[in-house]
Amino acid sequence: GDSVTQMEGPVTLSEEAFLTINCTYTATGYPSLFWYVQYPGEGLQLLLKATKADDKGSNKGFEATYRKETTSFHLEKGSVQVSDSAVYFCALLNSGYALNFGKGTSLLVTP
Amino acid sequence: EPEVTQTPSHQVTQMGQEVILRCVPISNHLYFYWYRQILGQKVEFLVSFYNNEISEKSEIFDDQFSVERPDGSNFTLKIRSTKLEDSAMYFCASSGAANTGELFFGEGSRLTVL
Repeated sequence: GDSVTQMEGPVTLSEEAFLTINCTYTATGYPSLFWYVQYPGEGLQLLLKATKADDKGSNKGFEATYRKETTSFHLEKGSVQVSDSAVYFCALLNSGYALNFGKGTSLLVTP
Repeated sequence: EPEVTQTPSHQVTQMGQEVILRCVPISNHLYFYWYRQILGQKVEFLVSFYNNEISEKSEIFDDQFSVERPDGSNFTLKIRSTKLEDSAMYFCASSGAANTGELFFGEGSRLTVL
């Protein structure tokens, strides 16, 4: 069945460092791919999405490119801020209604 | 900004008891969902609900679980005869359209079964 694998956390970075959180997937067909973020004490929020191969999703300085050849959707940001500290979830939607999530990667950005 | 609200934020119950988790989705949304996350594991889909009926459910969503939209605003998840392994964070979500993956989540209800 479909699955999503994310790099294990926690990830600790200094402010202004470059961020990469790896995400790979296994799926039949052509899923849509997502990154959700959960800030402390809040619900999950959609950060960005891509619906087909080579699409790039972007939001709030974050980017991820749908790479079908490597079945990946890595999240990147050029310069992280303390306010980016959160848990990041990679997810896919293939058919139907059910989002298939990864385990989540905790990011802590220190001043 | 409209948001999904969930109550209670934390509930502790004894094994075998019934639990009802409540959610108020965003008012103009038509699609409703429950997900759960057992500590240290993935966020897992339980059920989706549209037009007053279940549109999709996972293998986890067995006869122990039920969902209901008792009025125009609330969406509830009932767990009958809770088990220790039901301890998890339960997330409600809603969306304005089907099959987009663009869900709005509540903050979650933490259920602890003793």
